Amino acid sequence: GEDVEQSLFLSVREGDSSVINCTYTDSSSTYLYWYKQEPGAGLQLLTYIFSNMDMKQDQRLTVLLNKKDKHLSLRIADTQTGDSAIYFCAEISSGGYQKVTFGIGTKLQVIP
Amino acid sequence: DAGVIQSPRHEVTEMGQEVTLRCKPISGHDYLFWYRQTMMRGLELLIYFNNNVPIDDSGMPEDRFSAKMPNASFSTLKIQPSEPRDSAVYFCASTPAGQPPNEQYFGPGTRLTVT
Repeated sequence: GEDVEQSLFLSVREGDSSVINCTYTDSSSTYLYWYKQEPGAGLQLLTYIFSNMDMKQDQRLTVLLNKKDKHLSLRIADTQTGDSAIYFCAEISSGGYQKVTFGIGTKLQVIP
Repeated sequence: DAGVIQSPRHEVTEMGQEVTLRCKPISGHDYLFWYRQTMMRGLELLIYFNNNVPIDDSGMPEDRFSAKMPNASFSTLKIQPSEPRDSAVYFCASTPAGQPPNEQYFGPGTRLTVT
């Protein structure tokens, strides 16, 4: 079945870049996502990339997709304390009936 | 729109009691999902509905868990009897059909504590 893996924890200093990595197994993934969860809240879509793209940039966020290695990354430039949250990698496959497979989440800690 | 609404936000109950969690999806969304989040297992999909019909309940842990969606604007997740290992945050999410990128809209969650 589908599986999405990511590291549990990342700590960076304010102003540095953060890179959160993810690997997935489903080669039929159509969209890959990054969701953000702030403390005490539900998940919220941060950004996404369509499977026929290699890169997507959105202000401070850069998403890189390596389909050959089934590897997805999220780079946050000039990381701020407000970026401290849990980041979930997720994917949806072509036959998934809208079913999204989430990773376990990477907790990003930004040190002032 | 107010977003996905869940109630209660917090629930504390004793082992053996029945617990009912409630969700109101965003109006017009065809899909509704129930997730459970714990430190150990992360975010687990329990069940999801399309147009009020359960599509996949393979994530429901056991017969103690049941979910219903009597109409397009309301769903419940019931645990009977509850056990301490059911303690978790339960999320409801909804999404409209056929609208890429198929974003899921999450509610604020219900934090359940079973003592």
